[in-house]
Amino acid sequence: EVQLVESGGGLVQPGGSLRLSCAASGFTFSSYEMNWVRQAPGKGLEWVSYISSSGSTIYYADSVKGRFTISRDNAKNSLYLQMNSLRAEDTAVYYCAREFPSYGPDYWGQGTLVTVSS
Amino acid sequence: QSVLTQPPSVSAAPGQKVTISCSGSSSNIGNNYVSWYQQLPGTAPKLLIYDNNKRPSGIPDRFSGSKSGTSATLGITGLQTGDEADYYCGTWDSSLSARVFGGGTKLTVL
Repeated sequence: EVQLVESGGGLVQPGGSLRLSCAASGFTFSSYEMNWVRQAPGKGLEWVSYISSSGSTIYYADSVKGRFTISRDNAKNSLYLQMNSLRAEDTAVYYCAREFPSYGPDYWGQGTLVTVSS
Repeated sequence: QSVLTQPPSVSAAPGQKVTISCSGSSSNIGNNYVSWYQQLPGTAPKLLIYDNNKRPSGIPDRFSGSKSGTSATLGITGLQTGDEADYYCGTWDSSLSARVFGGGTKLTVL
């Protein structure tokens, strides 16, 4: 069974940093591309970032480019999102999602809440 | 504003059929595969349709997808109260080099 479990969310002040983690199991993590997708309270889905299976190809949404960094450790079956210079508008539930090649995310984690507030 | 345009809400009675539209452009829907997601209240999104019209294992055939030009449509037949959820379309945008989603459509089963 595919499982994706996010962690690392919490309350952080504007301008602060946070690192999210996603632990994957139930599939060969090193063979799959991965995504981070977020959802602000009461709002729709917003794609944040993508990383290829090897980590060699990475994309970011314009809204986070230069502030967020996606990475992965295939030996640890883990995906990460380093978030710096956080803003109030980054407040959201952050989902880790496996990529169904060419088709987009298929399996999603339960999400971790990030709140940026003073 | 979302790159893909969906109606904010749709409604229909139990047992009836409903369709949800998703409009885009040649840089996204027109030249890439469309997926549809169901998000029940308080839960993570779930893949309903991929490759425009294919259903993952376990998704009932009450759910269907289609694509024509720069628009896509999700159809749901035999509506049940358990279908009440938010529905999102998504695809890759080749010009933005980004995955894009519609703003979401809230389905109410009256």
